[in-house]
Amino acid sequence: DAGVTQSPTHLIKTRGQQVTLRCSPKSGHDTVSWYQQALGQGPQFIFQYYEEEERQRGNFPDRFSGHQYPNYSSELNVNALLLGDSALYLCASSLQGYTQYFGPGTRLTVL
Amino acid sequence: ELKVEQNPLFLSMQEGKNYTIYCNYSTTSDRLYWYRQDPGKSLESLFVLLSNGAVKQEGRLMASLDTKARLSTLHITAAVHDLSATYFCAVENTGNQFYFGTGTSLTVIP
Repeated sequence: DAGVTQSPTHLIKTRGQQVTLRCSPKSGHDTVSWYQQALGQGPQFIFQYYEEEERQRGNFPDRFSGHQYPNYSSELNVNALLLGDSALYLCASSLQGYTQYFGPGTRLTVL
Repeated sequence: ELKVEQNPLFLSMQEGKNYTIYCNYSTTSDRLYWYRQDPGKSLESLFVLLSNGAVKQEGRLMASLDTKARLSTLHITAAVHDLSATYFCAVENTGNQFYFGTGTSLTVIP
């Protein structure tokens, strides 16, 4: 079992650009959640996808959007990047109602 | 919004000593998680506490949950250098949304 995988590992973008991050959940998991972790802080919940729909959303602007595919993999899209979007983006998967398992993360740097 | 507070934020302790990290949260929840994070790495699940009075132990770490006091503790016994990391507690609301604490950065000094 490969566990939760994320790609890419690192990414450098400039202000105003758009970025797409990808996540493959642990085998058998149907729910994917995305978190933003700024340096020195705890992860902040962005949103959660289940059955290809956004079920929960944290306090993030509409520039942050996502998608879940029939195979449960997921994407996080961020438009009009700001310097403050620089962070570690974590994907977590779970079987609805059970423990979340986190992926290795994507380190995004916005210049 | 559910608030989660951890203290201390920074902890420096000598090997062999005992210490406790505290996690307080603001609204009712029956699910609390403890994670470990090494620098530049992702989160590793340590404990899942699902009911009032739950206690779990793994090696030198023991976690407990008091849902009435909205308090969880992570107790470290006879610390060793390998335990140096940042520890997060996280509370899950009824919508399966996780709220994380600010983290406790632990450094164990030989």
